[in-house]
Amino acid sequence: EVQLVESGGGLLQPGRSLRLSCAASGFIFDDYAMHWVRQAPGKGLEWVSGISWNSDTIAYADSVKGRFTISRDNAKNSLYLQMNSLRAEDTAFYYCSNDIEGLIPSLGLNHWGQGTLVTVSS
Amino acid sequence: QSVLTQPPSVSAAPGQKVTISCSGSSSNIGNNYVSWYQQLPGTAPKFLIYKNNRRPSGIPDRFSGSKSGTSATLGITALQTGDEADYYCGTWDSSLSAVVFGGGTKLTVL
Repeated sequence: EVQLVESGGGLLQPGRSLRLSCAASGFIFDDYAMHWVRQAPGKGLEWVSGISWNSDTIAYADSVKGRFTISRDNAKNSLYLQMNSLRAEDTAFYYCSNDIEGLIPSLGLNHWGQGTLVTVSS
Repeated sequence: QSVLTQPPSVSAAPGQKVTISCSGSSSNIGNNYVSWYQQLPGTAPKFLIYKNNRRPSGIPDRFSGSKSGTSATLGITALQTGDEADYYCGTWDSSLSAVVFGGGTKLTVL
C-alpha cells in the first residue's frame, strides 16, 4: 500500500522559515517524480513544486520561486520542501504526491498524502 | 484566477449522468495530457483520470475522460450520493513550466 506522510507544519510568523518532510513507502520511490501541492482553507488546489526522480529537473510555481526549495533523498525515501520568507498567503494545507512517471513535465499526480497545515500569521 | 476554467458547480439526480468541462489553451491542455482529481469533503485529492481518458486501478468505469483541442471533459454516470465532491482538472503548462489546475467544480447529487 502506498503511503505518503507529510510532517513539519505549524504556526509561524511572517518572514520565518519552515521545512516540510514527506515520508514515502509502498512503492519504488526513486522511480517517480514527486510534487508538493497546497490548498488554502476553502480554496482550490495550487501546485507548488515538482522534482524528477533523480533531482535533475526541478520546477516551481511563480508564487514561490526564489523562496521555496524542493529536494529529495532517495536513500531515505523522503521528499522535502524548504520554505523561506513565509507570507500570510502561504497559509495552506501542503500535500505531497507522486507522479505516475519519473520525469518533469508531470503526467499526473497519483497518490496523495493527508497533508500538513502551515499557518503564517503574526 | 485559475489557468484552467471549470464551472463552479454542477448538479444532477442520483442515477443520472453529469459532465464537467475544463477549458485551457494550446500551452496546456492543447499539447499536454489532462488528469482529473476528486476531493471528497475533508479529505485529500484522489486520482481519477490520467492521460486524458485512462483510469487508475480501482476507479470504476462510471468515470470517464475525454479531450478535444484545448478542452477536456470528465463524465460521471450512474451518479451516487457518494460522488458529491469537488472535482479538479490538471495538466502541465509548457509556457509556465508548471502544473496547473482548474478552480474546481462542486458536484451536488440532488
